[in-house]
Order: sequence, then C-alpha cells, then structure tokens
Amino acid sequence: EAGVAQSPRYKIIEKRQSVAFWCNPISGHATLYWYQQILGQGPKLLIQFQNNGVVDDSQLPKDRFSAERLKGVDSTLKIQPAKLEDSAVYLCASSPGLTNTEAFFGQGTRLTVV
Amino acid sequence: SQQGEEDPQALSIQEGENATMNCSYKTSINNLQWYRQNSGRGLVHLILIRSNEREKHSGRLRVTLDTSKKSSSLLITASRAADTASYFCATDNYGQNFVFGPGTRLSVLP
Repeated sequence: EAGVAQSPRYKIIEKRQSVAFWCNPISGHATLYWYQQILGQGPKLLIQFQNNGVVDDSQLPKDRFSAERLKGVDSTLKIQPAKLEDSAVYLCASSPGLTNTEAFFGQGTRLTVV
Repeated sequence: SQQGEEDPQALSIQEGENATMNCSYKTSINNLQWYRQNSGRGLVHLILIRSNEREKHSGRLRVTLDTSKKSSSLLITASRAADTASYFCATDNYGQNFVFGPGTRLSVLP
C-alpha cells in the first residue's frame, strides 16, 4: 500500500514570498490533516478535512494560510506571504475516517523562510 | 490548542532498560494514540487505546489508560538503540480535535 506522499521535501524562500505544498493521501482515506511542526515541538494541527469539507481550521492563520482538498483526494496548503516564523516542517497525514483515526504521515516538507 | 502533555520532556537510559513516559490530557477523549518520530522523519503510529480500554500491548510496548485521571503511560521494555526517538501522544474525540502533545525525547545509550 502506498503511503502519504508530500512534495516538495525541502523549500527555501524569502519572507513575503508565497509557497505551496502538495499532499496525496492514502487511497480511500476520508480524513486529511495538515500539521505544522516547529523544531523541538509537537505537531500543531492547522486544518482537518473530511472528504472535501473542512472539519477544523481553528488554528489556521487564515490571513496568510489557505488549504483546499479538491474532489476529496489531493490537498494543497499555501502560505502567502510567508514570514520568518513560518519556518517549520509541514506534515500531511491521512486516516480512514472519524471512527478510525489511526493517522499515517508523510515525510513532511521542511520550509525555511529567510 | 494543546490537549496532551508528555512527561518527562527528555529521558536517557541504557540499552536493555525499560523506558516509561506519561501523557496527561484535559478533556474527554474517544481514543488516545502514541506515535514515534525519528529525527527528520515523519511520525509513525505505534498503538491506539480506546477510552473503554485500560491496557494494551504490542510487542515490547505496553500502554495504559486511566480516564479518571486523564492520563496514559507508554512502557517500552528491553530498549534498544533504535528506540531513540521522540514519542508523542495524541488524543481525539470521534475524529474531532486530533491534537498532539510536545513529546518526550528518548535517548537509548549503547
């Protein structure tokens, strides 16, 4: 079974630039999560999708971050404009559904904002 | 908002010893899960325990859950150098509010 795919693996941008991350979850998984993990901290939930609807985006900085999950499969997370404090690893995860929440994580995208 | 808190923040033991780390949480949960993260890698699911379960085993892992104290513990027996990683607990309430704690960094010395 293929795992969660994320791209790119690494990205370096200047502050105020924009960046986009892509995630392809495990086939058939209804729930998709985006997490931000700052070095030395636990993952922080940014947004949770159930199919193509948003379940929780309470911690997503909506003035600069946006995410979508078209057709309930792939997802993109965008930051525009980026700030220095956005430097982190962005993790995508998927799980079968709301009653089976064992999450499978991708390798993450390491973003450095300079 | 952060739900789970792991304790201790860091733990260093010798190979062959047991490692115990704890997780406390604040609100009602349906599941509690433990994950491992090796340096620079994604998180790997270790074990899930439901709110109506008190103990669960998987290989060298033993997880307990005390819903009255809102706490869980993860025991790794006969530790190996390969167990060196960060360990996180995560809680959810029927898929809602799926959040992680700050983690315990475990170092297993050869």
